[in-house]
Amino acid sequence: GAVVSQHPSRVICKSGTSVKIECRSLDFQATTMFWYRQFPKQSLMLMATSNEGSKATYEQGVEKDKFLINHASLTLSTLTVTSAHPEDSSFYICSATSRGISPYEQYFGPGTRLTVT
Amino acid sequence: SQKIEQNSEALNIQEGKTATLTCNYTNYSPAYLQWYRQDPGRGPVFLLLIRENEKEKRKERLKVTFDTTLKQSLFHITASQPADSATYLCALDPRGGGADGLTFGKGTHLIIQP
Repeated sequence: GAVVSQHPSRVICKSGTSVKIECRSLDFQATTMFWYRQFPKQSLMLMATSNEGSKATYEQGVEKDKFLINHASLTLSTLTVTSAHPEDSSFYICSATSRGISPYEQYFGPGTRLTVT
Repeated sequence: SQKIEQNSEALNIQEGKTATLTCNYTNYSPAYLQWYRQDPGRGPVFLLLIRENEKEKRKERLKVTFDTTLKQSLFHITASQPADSATYLCALDPRGGGADGLTFGKGTHLIIQP
């Protein structure tokens, strides 16, 4: 149980285009979803926190107009990287929590590798 | 500023021995501390959570300790196996309510040699 999926797993796009990444909780309703970014040999860095039907809360230094988050339902959150540039190339990982299962444990998706050329 | 440090980038252990990983933190008063495993190109997988009022937590071959005075957690894998080779991440949930994102250390890459 408590499976989180992400789509796509890998994406290559040209500089200046936008890319959408989906995060789904497959067998539970997510109270909250989180988006993280991980650069090579670095730790996961929290980008934003998202609750269904609410505006996302972004961490300091993360541009909300560049990284658009939509949390339309209790099982789906999307991250759109707008006007992507090579420095946005990274591993993007979402996670979800569910108070119905455990309020503390986060269930992570498999990640999306974004490469901007 | 808040900081989480894991003792080394890489740790080589012989199969069958106990691997011990360290996580130190500063300028935090976490309600919980968590350990995750991450394999290359994959998302982290939850292993153990320990609360501030718990000294030790065990799960099969895994053991975690939490010393809030030293601001340190130790993560042990006993009878280590090559399949335990992965990066292990320490993570803090400062308020412990599950509503906040986690702050992660850089991780320790553990290699268990046959």
